[in-house]
Order: sequence, then C-alpha cells, then structure tokens
Amino acid sequence: SAVISQKPSRDICQRGTSLTIQCQVDSQVTMMFWYRQQPGQSLTLIATANQGSEATYESGFVIDKFPISRPNLTFSTLTVSNMSPEDSSIYLCSVDPGTSYQETQYFGPGTRLLVL
Amino acid sequence: KQEVTQIPAALSVPEGENLVLNCSFTDSAIYNLQWFRQDPGKGLTSLLLIQSSQREQTSGRLNASLDKSSGRSTLYIAASQPGDSATYLCAVTGTASKLTFGTGTRLQVTL
Repeated sequence: SAVISQKPSRDICQRGTSLTIQCQVDSQVTMMFWYRQQPGQSLTLIATANQGSEATYESGFVIDKFPISRPNLTFSTLTVSNMSPEDSSIYLCSVDPGTSYQETQYFGPGTRLLVL
Repeated sequence: KQEVTQIPAALSVPEGENLVLNCSFTDSAIYNLQWFRQDPGKGLTSLLLIQSSQREQTSGRLNASLDKSSGRSTLYIAASQPGDSATYLCAVTGTASKLTFGTGTRLQVTL
C-alpha cells in the first residue's frame, strides 16, 4: 500500500494567480498521476508525472496551464497557472504501485481549490 | 476513447435494503475495473478490484461482477447501512495504468 499526502488541503485564490500543489508518497513509486474533479463531476486525468522527464498530458490539458514537476520517486507538484473561476475543482494525485494491474491505485486526500 | 457511464446517478434507499449499482464502459480492452467510494471532502477509498480475467470479487457485504465482453459491471451492496451513504465511482484501467472514471452514483441510505 501507499500513503499519500497533499498540500495544501484547500485554498481560495484570486483569478490570474497561480497555485502549486504538492504530493508526497511514503514509498518510491514509478507512476504518479494528477486528476481533476470539477464540481459535481467525476475525475478526469490531467497528466502522468514522469520522474526525470516531462509529464505526459491528456487531451485538453497543456503544460503551460498545468506545469508538473517530478524531481524524485516520492514527490510531485502540480501548478495551476493563471487561474480562472473555471479552475475551481478538487485536484488529486494518485500512485500506481506497479504490480501489473493487480493492486489498486492509491489516491491522496485532494486539494480543494476555489478561484474568485 | 473510453467512456464509462454509471446508472443510476443517484439512489435513496431505506436501511437494510439490498441494492445494485451499474457501470458500463465502451472499450473492452481493459486491464481491470475498480470500484471506489468517495465521501464528501475526502479522497477515494478503493472497495474492490476485478482483474480483466475475473468475473467477480467479494468483500464483506460488497460483491462486484464484471462482464468484459459486454462492457458491464455491477456492484451489489447487501443489507445497506446509513454508513454506506457516499458517492460510488467505477473506473477502468487502460494502457499506461490510466484510469477512466465513471460519472458516479450518489447513494443515500436512510434510517
């Protein structure tokens, strides 16, 4: 299993500013992911955070808006840049333990973001 | 592109009832299917994971089935309790461990 923490747990930000969300895992993992959950919606994958290389973004998400860092195997950050009210969401990181799809992915508690 | 749909979107039942939540997906090329529970203000809790080669998994009062060829899964909850009230999400795992989530079923179990 894996225990994941995220900081901050919640924040209220002004439009046009940026927020960096941190994700810390208690063990080394190869694959880390960032998801967004907009109000009343399900989770959507933003990107895969790759250690030592650029993140891989899903359709509809771009690096300029959601830059991601992955400096080592236990830590990643997601920045939400130039925020607008439409960015108000819960942002969650997850990790895959890498057991050939036999074990669930583990999710952090999420960061609740409100953009005014 | 994989699409995952859950029916019903919301459900309210009295305590003690058995209930079934449904999940359907469009692309049968999946590695596994998972059911999660999400409580307000909290992260996701994994309930059951079914490998693509399996037909069902059971954990306590929960039983999940998978029919990969027809793109369907069901989550059966026996003898529901108020503590079961939450949003239930199904998710399928595709290539590169990417999860595609369903739309969710919001369950309320009343006294």
